[in-house]
Amino acid sequence: KAGVTQTPRYLIKTRGQQVTLSCSPISGHRSVSWYQQTPGQGLQFLFEYFSETQRNKGNFPGRFSGRQFSNSRSEMNVSTLELGDSALYLCASSYYGTTREKLFFGSGTQLSVL
Amino acid sequence: AQSVTQLDSQVPVFEEAPVELRCNYSSSVSVYLFWYVQYPNQGLQLLLKYLSGSTLVESINGFEAEFNKSQTSFHLRKPSVHISDTAEYFCAVSDNAGGTSYGKLTFGQGTILTVHP
Repeated sequence: KAGVTQTPRYLIKTRGQQVTLSCSPISGHRSVSWYQQTPGQGLQFLFEYFSETQRNKGNFPGRFSGRQFSNSRSEMNVSTLELGDSALYLCASSYYGTTREKLFFGSGTQLSVL
Repeated sequence: AQSVTQLDSQVPVFEEAPVELRCNYSSSVSVYLFWYVQYPNQGLQLLLKYLSGSTLVESINGFEAEFNKSQTSFHLRKPSVHISDTAEYFCAVSDNAGGTSYGKLTFGQGTILTVHP
């Protein structure tokens, strides 16, 4: 079974631009979560999608958004990029997104904002 | 609100020595507990988890962790480490109160374990 796939692996953008990151979950998994990982703040939860609906959201500004498609693939978008958005963005999938389930993480997209 | 504190940011140890990575948590509700490991340039992988029952949980590669409710701790231990255990280890908690915390884990800051030959 293929793992969680994130594309692209690396991205370089400039301040003010917007960016879209993609995540393909493990086949059969319907829940996709997104996390931001930085040296200063560590791993922080962005949001979770299940059956094309956002069910949970972390404390991030509205510039961070996401969506999920009918095949469970998910995208996250960051608009008006700031230097502080430079981070590793990880997505994780599970069958139902319940809090007792194991999360399967992708290798991440490393975003650098110049 | 929940928080997780990993008491050591870096732990250097020699091969075949024992190691303990410390984790304390704070939560107003009952929690599930996890340890994830991250190897360089990779995503996180689940090492072990505590959901209920026996407070001692084990992984397939020799790690174990014990849930101590009175001390709100979930320390990770291994009696004899290998070079291949070099990685960053994250302790995490999730809500066990039947709420709506779908997909959300609260992570500690991580502990970098470096095993020297």
